[in-house]
Amino acid sequence: AQKVTQAQTEISVVEKEDVTLDCVYETRDTTYYLFWYKQPPSGELVFLIRRNSFDEQNEISGRYSWNFQKSTSSFNFTITASQVVDSAVYFCALTLGRDDKIIFGKGTRLHILP
Amino acid sequence: EAQVTQNPRYLITVTGKKLTVTCSQNMNHEYMSWYRQDPGLGLRQIYYSMNVEVTDKGDVPEGYKVSRKEKRNFPLILESPSPNQTSLYFCASSLFYTRGGGTHNEQFFGPGTRLTVL
Repeated sequence: AQKVTQAQTEISVVEKEDVTLDCVYETRDTTYYLFWYKQPPSGELVFLIRRNSFDEQNEISGRYSWNFQKSTSSFNFTITASQVVDSAVYFCALTLGRDDKIIFGKGTRLHILP
Repeated sequence: EAQVTQNPRYLITVTGKKLTVTCSQNMNHEYMSWYRQDPGLGLRQIYYSMNVEVTDKGDVPEGYKVSRKEKRNFPLILESPSPNQTSLYFCASSLFYTRGGGTHNEQFFGPGTRLTVL
């Protein structure tokens, strides 16, 4: 069975600090997709990134970067120079290539303190 | 604009009063799903549909019904709502496609429906 674990329930950092959100996944399938979503206080789910299992390249998008390591089944998310607007709940998720079901982690609530 | 729409966005109702939350997508996606989000539990899948007239249970289907008569619509029906169905509900649609020798997956979520059952 597939599983996504976000061990950090809640994190607080001071603005401008870097912060890393951890995500560990479990699957026996060789084809899968990993996602990160942001859920701001307004409640909608904002797509951040998708990575398929055959692409282990790390990615950087502005202040956001992702570190995908199949050897440790991890897909960690780092925010550099955090800002108050980064305060949100962040979900890591996994889906297999053969159906639509998305398995979500329980989320990490990130507080960026001014 | 490619999007998934849900209505209503907010609903307060009473126990036992049947309700329907609509979901519609304009991307011609085959796959559609419903999720509920509860504190400490993340998002859990209620039902999914792989195509018109093809639906199946997710992890928490009890108390819910769905239908997929058209590709674009996937309504969620609560025949007799109860307070434990108070939650934030998300509809999603997705598309798998092959391009450049690889298989890709696009996932889109609706804006959410916050339901309170008194």
